[in-house]
Amino acid sequence: GAVVSQHPSRVICKSGTSVKIECRSLDFQATTMFWYRQFPKKSLMLMATSNEGSKATYEQGVEKDKFLINHASLTLSTLTVTSAHPEDSSFYICSAIPGQGVYGYTFGSGTRLTVV
Amino acid sequence: GENVEQHPSTLSVQEGDSAVIKCTYSDSASNYFPWYKQELGKGPQLIIDIRSNVGEKKDQRIAVTLNKTAKHFSLHITETQPEDSAVYFCAATSGGYQKVTFGTGTKLQVIP
Repeated sequence: GAVVSQHPSRVICKSGTSVKIECRSLDFQATTMFWYRQFPKKSLMLMATSNEGSKATYEQGVEKDKFLINHASLTLSTLTVTSAHPEDSSFYICSAIPGQGVYGYTFGSGTRLTVV
Repeated sequence: GENVEQHPSTLSVQEGDSAVIKCTYSDSASNYFPWYKQELGKGPQLIIDIRSNVGEKKDQRIAVTLNKTAKHFSLHITETQPEDSAVYFCAATSGGYQKVTFGTGTKLQVIP
C-alpha cells in the first residue's frame, strides 16, 4: 500500500533556530501533499497544501514566512519552521494522496517538535 | 466551508462490547467520508471509508453507515478489544485533491 515517510519523528531545538521536517512518498508520486499541526488532545489543523513545482497554499492565520514549504519533487515535501519559538512546539503531520482519482489520504507518522 | 462535528469526545467500553461514534457534516458537496485511528505519538491511519453512493460498509469488526439526507455518518466497532483503544477521527471531503475536514476526535478506551 501507499506509504508516507516523515522524518524526523522527534526533534528538540533551541529558540531562534530553524527546523526542517521531511515528508516523502515512498511508493507513489504525490503532486499534492498536506501539512497539519495537532495540539495535544485536539484535532488536526490544516496548515497548508503543498503543490509540486509551485507555491504552497496556506490556510488563513498560518504565517507563510514562519512555516516554509518546499515541494521540489513528486516524492518530497519539506516544512521548515523558521526562528522557532516555544509556542511552535507541536505535533506536525504530513499527508498525501496516492494517486489521481484516489480519495484516501495517507498520513506520515508525525514529527514531535519541542522548542526550548 | 465544511464543518464536521463528532460525538462523543470520550468513550469507555468494556472489552467485547460495541462502540459507536457519530459525526455530522454540513457541506452537501462532501462525498467521501474516511475514518482514522490515531495512536499516541503516531500519525492517523485510515481504517475504513465510505462514499456517498453507499449507505453502509463493513470490514470485519468495523462498519460505517452514512445517511446522506441527514448528513450524518457513524463508526461502529463490535467485539471491542484493548488494542482498539485510540483516538478516532471522522472526516469529510469532496475527494480528489480537496482538503479534508476532520472531526474533533473521540478517545476510545476499551477496558479489559
